[in-house]
Amino acid sequence: GENVEQHPSTLSVQEGDSAVIKCTYSDSASNYFPWYKQELGKRPQLIIDIRSNVGEKKDQRIAVTLNKTAKHFSLHITETQPEDSAVYFCAASGGSNYKLTFGKGTLLTVNP
Amino acid sequence: DSGVTQTPKHLITATGQRVTLRCSPRSGDLSVYWYQQSLDQGLQFLIQYYNGEERAKGNILERFSAQQFPDLHSELNLSSLELGDSALYFCASSVVSDNEQFFGPGTRLTVL
Repeated sequence: GENVEQHPSTLSVQEGDSAVIKCTYSDSASNYFPWYKQELGKRPQLIIDIRSNVGEKKDQRIAVTLNKTAKHFSLHITETQPEDSAVYFCAASGGSNYKLTFGKGTLLTVNP
Repeated sequence: DSGVTQTPKHLITATGQRVTLRCSPRSGDLSVYWYQQSLDQGLQFLIQYYNGEERAKGNILERFSAQQFPDLHSELNLSSLELGDSALYFCASSVVSDNEQFFGPGTRLTVL
């Protein structure tokens, strides 16, 4: 089955800096790669996603890149703000059942 | 608010007991997914239902079962509970032909 590795497990940045979180996946059939933000005790919230026919997608301060050949995808957050502090999960999905396989998560702390 | 509802929010019970968690998907979504989130295991896919039928199974224990009813709501039944079953249980839903999943607020289960 699919295996998703996520790095780093913790990331601390200063407000205004950029943050990058990287994931790799194992199943070449995966074709959908969402990123979720989860605040403590809350539900995971979809913040951005990318499909395999696209190499990059941007939404304001958030961007995701995908390298299908290398089976890598990354989340980029620019101009970080304290409210960006949360756990971020990458995931991969493919096939007919659409189940998501998640990475272990990255705890992002943005220091004011 | 994702449109996915889950009840109850919190559940405290004893080892050996049985509980039922309930999920109502977003209006129009036919697929329901159950995930377990614990500190050491991250977000783990348990099971998926599509329009009343089981579509995929993940790391779901034999003590756990689920079903999806004609009105599309779903229930996750956990029996012979053990201390290690303490976790956040999330339900997510999606439309029939899309990977994009929306998560409910979760049920926090504590087994004492």
